Amino acid sequence: EDQVTQSPEALRLQEGESSSLNCSYTVSGLRGLFWYRQDPGKGPEFLFTLYSAGEEKEKERLKATLTKKESFLHITAPKPEDSATYLCAVRNSGSRLTFGEGTQLTVNP
Amino acid sequence: EPEVTQTPSHQVTQMGQEVILRCVPISNHLYFYWYRQILGQKVEFLVSFYNNEISEKSEIFDDQFSVERPDGSNFTLKIRSTKLEDSAMYFCASNKQGHNEQFFGPGTRLTVL
Repeated sequence: EDQVTQSPEALRLQEGESSSLNCSYTVSGLRGLFWYRQDPGKGPEFLFTLYSAGEEKEKERLKATLTKKESFLHITAPKPEDSATYLCAVRNSGSRLTFGEGTQLTVNP
Repeated sequence: EPEVTQTPSHQVTQMGQEVILRCVPISNHLYFYWYRQILGQKVEFLVSFYNNEISEKSEIFDDQFSVERPDGSNFTLKIRSTKLEDSAMYFCASNKQGHNEQFFGPGTRLTVL
């Protein structure tokens, strides 16, 4: 059974204070690791897909990296508008995404 | 930019009643999904749908649930006889052929009383 574990559960940062979120996974036949952002009461918003160890993707202040067992979402010089829950998900040979519990990020001004 | 849309945004129903949740996937997408998220819990897969049939379903998706694509644009989730534990946010998602990224709608909050 595919499993995704995210840490920490919650993270408070000051504006400009860089940090990383972790996603550990076990999956049979990885067909993609996905990062989403979720604001309260809204649907997940797609950020990145990573397929193989060593791959990196960047978008504004966010950079996602992948190893064979985990992925990191690095946030550089965050702003208050980056406050959200960040979700990690994996896809195996089927079609379903298996999500982690998420990391709730709060960036204080 | 095209988006997945869902209606209603909030549905309140009595236990035992039938509900239909509606989704309009992105127009050139061919794969459709339903997920749910119970308050404070993780997003969980329910079912995937391609070429007018279910391609995968989870253990949550029992005989009380069904999906349908009644026309060229809508994709629906029906819950036949709702239970209290069906209360959750229900998300529809879709993706293009050859692409793995699933794009999610804003969700329908279902409250079963």
